[in-house]
Amino acid sequence: DAKTTQPPSMDCAEGRAANLPCNHSTISGNEYVYWYRQIHSQGPQYIIHGLKNNETNEMASLIITEDRKSSTLILPHATLRDTAVYYCIVRVDNTDKLIFGTGTRLQVFP
Amino acid sequence: NAGVTQTPKFRILKIGQSMTLQCTQDMNHNYMYWYRQDPGMGLKLIYYSVGAGITDKGEVPNGYNVSRSTTEDFPLRLELAAPSQTSVYFCASSFSLSASGFQETQYFGPGTRLLVL
Repeated sequence: DAKTTQPPSMDCAEGRAANLPCNHSTISGNEYVYWYRQIHSQGPQYIIHGLKNNETNEMASLIITEDRKSSTLILPHATLRDTAVYYCIVRVDNTDKLIFGTGTRLQVFP
Repeated sequence: NAGVTQTPKFRILKIGQSMTLQCTQDMNHNYMYWYRQDPGMGLKLIYYSVGAGITDKGEVPNGYNVSRSTTEDFPLRLELAAPSQTSVYFCASSFSLSASGFQETQYFGPGTRLLVL
C-alpha cells in the first residue's frame, strides 16, 4: 500500500499557483519525499524531491512541514500544460522501492 | 543518449500466449524497474533490480518473470497471458546508493500497451 495520501483531483486557473497537498504521516527520518507527474499516457516525469528543508527548482517548489508528516507541491504559475496526475511518493521502509499511489489529477483551466 | 527505450509499443495477445517486453537503458543506471498501470489507476511495481544478476519482487509480481543479465537490459516475461494483464507497462531506471535514504530520479520509458483477449 502507498504510504502517502493525496486528494484525487484539483482544479486551478491558468496563471495562478497550484498547491498540491500530500500526507505521509508514517515517513521515517531518512526517507525522502518525491514528486512525479504523468501527463496523459506518457511515462511519469520527475519534478522535485526533499528531505527536511523546502526545495525549489525550475519546475516547482516543495514545502515540507517541520514534523515531516505532510508536504505541499507548489506550481507557482500553472499553465495548461501542467494538467496531469501528480504523484507524491516516499520510499518503502529500508527498501529500494518507490510505491506510487493514485495521485492527484490536476486540471488547469483557461 | 536515448534514455529508456521499450519495445514493442503495442501488442495484442491471446489468452495463454507468452511474450517478452524489452527494456533497455543507456545511462549506466544500476537500478531498473517494471511498473504496470491499469486504466485510471496509479502505477504498481511489478519487479525491480538493483544491479545485474539481482532482482526482487514488487507489489504485483504474480504472472511475471524478469532477468537482469546486463546493466542495460531488463526484460519482463509473461508466460501465460491472462485478460487481467491487460495494462500499460512502464520500465524505469535510476542510479541509487541503497546505503543511503536517497534514491535518484527515475527515468521512465514511453510504455508498452498490452491487450490480452
